[in-house]
Amino acid sequence: QKEVEQNSGPLSVPEGAIASLNCTYSDRGSQSFFWYRQYSGKSPELIMSIYSNGDKEDGRFTAQLNKASQYVSLLIRDSQPSDSATYLCAVKGSARQLTFGSGTQLTVLP
Amino acid sequence: DVKVTQSSRYLVKRTGEKVFLECVQDMDHENMFWYRQDPGLGLRLIYFSYDVKMKEKGDIPEGYSVSREKKERFSLILESASTNQTSMYLCASSRPGDVGRSTEAFFGQGTRLTVV
Repeated sequence: QKEVEQNSGPLSVPEGAIASLNCTYSDRGSQSFFWYRQYSGKSPELIMSIYSNGDKEDGRFTAQLNKASQYVSLLIRDSQPSDSATYLCAVKGSARQLTFGSGTQLTVLP
Repeated sequence: DVKVTQSSRYLVKRTGEKVFLECVQDMDHENMFWYRQDPGLGLRLIYFSYDVKMKEKGDIPEGYSVSREKKERFSLILESASTNQTSMYLCASSRPGDVGRSTEAFFGQGTRLTVV
């Protein structure tokens, strides 16, 4: 079992819709969770970090964390074509470094 | 802004060559990391370092070594390049963060290495 799992997609949503990206992790001791966005041919850039159970909102982005279910998600409201990218979930477990999921490719259709 | 700079965007090397990938960060970060990224496999950690002259193996260290002689610079070395090391290589840096937590990692622009 992979330590951090994401649906690879591709996930397609129409412009203006809500895009929902999901991530599960195996290390129950994990305390730090991150969402990165990666455009094709570019390096990952941080969108959100979340450390506590519940929701964290930043503009059109909402990260949701449920440690009991070992689940973290990213919601993108009012999706725009410029949101089309691969979204990487990263988790810091008991190890000292981040572990990344394989990413979900999102396409927002105009 | 944090800046992580990798020495090359694109590199083509021959099988058996010794290859050096350089990474420099300008934010005085203690932590530095080397990942490779392949389609369908995501980001996989090769090596990381939490201090000068200190290194730890990641998930896929075979065929690689690293050097960290100065805090700002972290080098990845392919001792004898092979075609299965053709990949995108990403360097990242971060601060240590609080106990049990992790600060965000900032990435360089990536080096696309092709071994022929």
